[in-house]
Amino acid sequence: GENVEQHPSTLSVQEGDSAVIKCTYSDSASNYFPWYKQELGKRPQLIIDIRSNVGEKKDQRIAVTLNKTAKHFSLHITETQPEDSAVYFCAASNRGSYIPTFGRGTSLIVHP
Amino acid sequence: DAGITQSPRHKVTETGTPVTLRCHQTENHRYMYWYRQDPGHGLRLIHYSYGVKDTDKGEVSDGYSVSRSKTEDFLLTLESATSSQTSVYFCAISESGRGNNEQFFGPGTRLTVL
Repeated sequence: GENVEQHPSTLSVQEGDSAVIKCTYSDSASNYFPWYKQELGKRPQLIIDIRSNVGEKKDQRIAVTLNKTAKHFSLHITETQPEDSAVYFCAASNRGSYIPTFGRGTSLIVHP
Repeated sequence: DAGITQSPRHKVTETGTPVTLRCHQTENHRYMYWYRQDPGHGLRLIHYSYGVKDTDKGEVSDGYSVSRSKTEDFLLTLESATSSQTSVYFCAISESGRGNNEQFFGPGTRLTVL
């Protein structure tokens, strides 16, 4: 089955800096890669996703890149703000599976 | 937020007692999932459903059972709760379930087993 590794487990940055979270996956059939943000005490919510037919997707200060050859994808947050502080989860899934496989999460702390 | 609720939101119980958690959706989505979330482990799938009366096991299904008699409700039962089942439980729904669509999560249930 699919295996998703996520790094780092904790990331501490200063407000205004950029943050990068990286995930690798094992199943070459995976073709959908969502990222979820979970604020303290809240539910996970989708913030951005990418499909295997594109290499990059942007939405304001966040972007996701995908390297299918190397089987890794990354979340980039620019100009970080304190409200970006949360746990971020990556996931991978493919057409034949009902189940996305999640990474273990990255706790992002943005210091004012 | 998508129309998905969980009940109860908090529960404290004793070892050996049965516990049932309820997930209710108003989106008419076909697929429903139960996850548990523990520090350092992320979201781990317990069971999922791909239709009424159609369910299957996830990676951490031991000690849990599920039922889905209606599209809108997905029940998770701990037949005899143990302290290792202390966790936060999230229900999720998705439209196609093929893994290509967004999952919407419920607000979570914090379960403590003493």
